[in-house]
Amino acid sequence: GAVVSQHPSRVICKSGTSVKIECRSLDFQATTMFWYRQFPKKSLMLMATSNEGSKATYEQGVEKDKFLINHASLTLSTLTVTSAHPEDSSFYICSATARQGSYNQPQHFGDGTRLSIL
Amino acid sequence: GENVGLHLPTLSVQEGDNSIINCAYSNSASDYFIWYKQESGKGPQFIIDIRSNMDKRQGQRVTVLLNKTVKHLSLQIAATQPGDSAVYFCAENRRSNTGKLIFGQGTTLQVKP
Repeated sequence: GAVVSQHPSRVICKSGTSVKIECRSLDFQATTMFWYRQFPKKSLMLMATSNEGSKATYEQGVEKDKFLINHASLTLSTLTVTSAHPEDSSFYICSATARQGSYNQPQHFGDGTRLSIL
Repeated sequence: GENVGLHLPTLSVQEGDNSIINCAYSNSASDYFIWYKQESGKGPQFIIDIRSNMDKRQGQRVTVLLNKTVKHLSLQIAATQPGDSAVYFCAENRRSNTGKLIFGQGTTLQVKP
């Protein structure tokens, strides 16, 4: 149980392109989803928290107009990197929890999206 | 094998030995802790969690120990296998964070055959 699927697993595109990444909870309803960014050999950096039906909460320093998050249903959240540039190249990972605001439940992670901007 | 101090980046152990991965957490108000395993090119995989009302919890081949006095968490892996090679992250949470995890730096575990 608690499977999170992320798509695509890898994207290579030209500078200036917008890229959408999907995060789905396959066997549970995810009221809260999280988006992380991870650089090589580094830990996970939280970008934003998204609750179904409401606006995402972004961490300090993360541009909300650059990284658009939509959590329109209990099983799907999307992250769109708008007008992507080489510095946006990274490993993006989503996670989900079943209960909104629950702090003592584990987050379940997708397998990440490797984004490469040429 | 064991890493000491504020998590060394890499821990090398012989196959079959026990591994101990350490983590020092930052906030004394944290009351929920998780260990994740991340293999290359994949997302973190849940291993085991522990709440602050416990000081030890066991799973299959893994044990998590929590010492709230010194804000220290450890993951013990018994009879380490090549498939255990990965990066291991500890993460902490507290009620005021409403679900946001704070991840540690991570420790790379290398298992030598």
